[in-house]
Amino acid sequence: QQQVKQSPQSLIVQKGGISIINCAYENTAFDYFPWYQQFPGKGPALLIAIRPDVSEKKEGRFTISFNKSAKQLSLHIMDSQPGDSATYFCAASMRTGGSYIPTFGRGTSLIVHP
Amino acid sequence: KAGVTQTPRYLIKTRGQQVTLSCSPISGHRSVSWYQQTPGQGLQFLFEYFSETQRNKGNFPGRFSGRQFSNSRSEMNVSTLELGDSALYLCASSLDPGLGPQHFGDGTRLSIL
Repeated sequence: QQQVKQSPQSLIVQKGGISIINCAYENTAFDYFPWYQQFPGKGPALLIAIRPDVSEKKEGRFTISFNKSAKQLSLHIMDSQPGDSATYFCAASMRTGGSYIPTFGRGTSLIVHP
Repeated sequence: KAGVTQTPRYLIKTRGQQVTLSCSPISGHRSVSWYQQTPGQGLQFLFEYFSETQRNKGNFPGRFSGRQFSNSRSEMNVSTLELGDSALYLCASSLDPGLGPQHFGDGTRLSIL
């Protein structure tokens, strides 16, 4: 059973366009939602994170929109650039033993064409 | 500041052998967590250590174990290797475990023949 469903599996956008990646979760105990960016041959890098007490968080060209009642969130990448081409993972975390342990989505491979 | 360092980067083993992977966290980070990444199962949490104590463990068999030393460096061990253990093993460190994994290493690619 997939606790965190991420879509689409792959995404191709043109330079300057908006990339949108969606994530849905089941467990209402999740209360911290980080997104990670992974380039080939590299480990994931924490990109941006949100908690359920806010509906939107923006950092530069990256924005997370959060709908708590629908248990859905999405990552928007504005003015997408070829350098944004990477795999993106959403994660849903809950506090366990004093730590936040993430459950990851399956990832979205983003290609931005120049 | 040096990032999370994982050694070795690549490893080839045969079924039945055991393997030890090493992770050096960012200086000052006391929380270290480990993940397995495969094309079939994606990114999955293995275990998490804080101040030498295992605080959380994922849904993996007992063949997977780990430990953390007083300098926060961590090792994970897999015994009686199976073909399905072929994966990228990632280590992450955090200054505050309440923020989840913040900085990942580039992983150890383990191939089982």
